[in-house]
Amino acid sequence: QKEVEQNSGPLSVPEGAIASLNCTYSDRGSQSFFWYRQYSGKSPELIMSIYSNGDKEDGRFTAQLNKASQYVSLLIRDSQPSDSATYLCAAGMNRDDKIIFGKGTRLHILP
Amino acid sequence: NAGVMQNPRHLVRRRGQEARLRCSPMKGHSHVYWYRQLPEEGLKFMVYLQKENIIDESGMPKERFSAEFPKEGPSILRIQQVVRGDSAAYFCASSPLREWSTEAFFGQGTRLTVV
Repeated sequence: QKEVEQNSGPLSVPEGAIASLNCTYSDRGSQSFFWYRQYSGKSPELIMSIYSNGDKEDGRFTAQLNKASQYVSLLIRDSQPSDSATYLCAAGMNRDDKIIFGKGTRLHILP
Repeated sequence: NAGVMQNPRHLVRRRGQEARLRCSPMKGHSHVYWYRQLPEEGLKFMVYLQKENIIDESGMPKERFSAEFPKEGPSILRIQQVVRGDSAAYFCASSPLREWSTEAFFGQGTRLTVV
């Protein structure tokens, strides 16, 4: 069964530090990887997509993909209290295969 | 470009009634997901559809739940004879028709309360 695994947390990080969120996936055929942010009581919001090995940067966010290790990570630089949320990792193959979500990691930025 | 639209945002039903949740995907998107989420829990996959076709319904309960995505109009998640345990947030997400990407965008959700 295809799975995406994340540490549930909570992960506590001081304001201004780097938050590192990790995720592993079981299906080697996965081609697309996503990070979503979900605030309490709100819907998930797509913040990063990554398709190739290596790093992809967008503002304070960097997604890292290592297909050989089946590992995806999200780094948040200069963490802010507003980054406190649950972060969901997801993996997909193609349009005929559903996206698989992890259960999410709760991140708490300490002021 | 309007995002994924779900309605109603809040729905209250008495036990035994039917609940109909609607989802209009983003313009140009051909695929729709439905998820259920209980407070403080993860997203639970229910069904994945394209227009006039169910691709994967492995997460749908065998009874009382059905979903459709007709050629015209929104996708509908229908729950018959609701019970208290159906109370949850139901999220719809849509994705475009691309071979290489499955990124999905979520609507605001429908909060169903069964009394």
